[in-house]
Amino acid sequence: NAGVTQTPKFRVLKTGQSMTLLCAQDMNHEYMYWYRQDPGMGLRLIHYSVGEGTTAKGEVPDGYNVSRLKKQNFLLGLESAAPSQTSVYFCASEPGGDPNTEAFFGQGTRLTVV
Amino acid sequence: DQQVKQNSPSLSVQEGRISILNCDYTNSMFDYFLWYKKYPAEGPTFLISISSIKDKNEDGRFTVFLNKSAKHLSLHIVPSQPGDSAVYFCAARDTGNQFYFGTGTSLTVIP
Repeated sequence: NAGVTQTPKFRVLKTGQSMTLLCAQDMNHEYMYWYRQDPGMGLRLIHYSVGEGTTAKGEVPDGYNVSRLKKQNFLLGLESAAPSQTSVYFCASEPGGDPNTEAFFGQGTRLTVV
Repeated sequence: DQQVKQNSPSLSVQEGRISILNCDYTNSMFDYFLWYKKYPAEGPTFLISISSIKDKNEDGRFTVFLNKSAKHLSLHIVPSQPGDSAVYFCAARDTGNQFYFGTGTSLTVIP
């Protein structure tokens, strides 16, 4: 099983450029999440989805948009990249419906905005 | 405000000894707690969890203790092995759909 796959793994953007990060899971999970990890900040939730066609804001949603058109995919978009969005981005998924479950993470996308 | 706190950024332990990683939380509505392990350039992987109705959960060398009155949990690794060297994140979940993560503790097990 591939689990949770993120593409790309690395990217360098210029300020003002846009891009989309793709997260794909093959576990038929309902819930999907996008986090960013910054030094000294742990993992902070950007947006999440509890099912196909649904999205919700997390702790740090500004500057990002998401879409969940298909159950297996969760896209994170940066409309106009800023240096403050330099970070490592992690996608995660979980079955949903049972609060006593863990989330499964992808390998991360390292994004640098110059 | 950080609802889940790991106050020790790093910890060094000799191989074979016990590693104790600590985590504090502020939200009394958290009802499920998890520990994740993360190696460089990889995503976090689930290690062990505990429900708020328990005070201890054990899985091999790993034991998690929960003290609800103190809003504190800890992860014990015994005996510690060099392969345990990683960053450990504490996480908590409330009755909603969000996980809240601590800032991580970098564990180094010295051979």
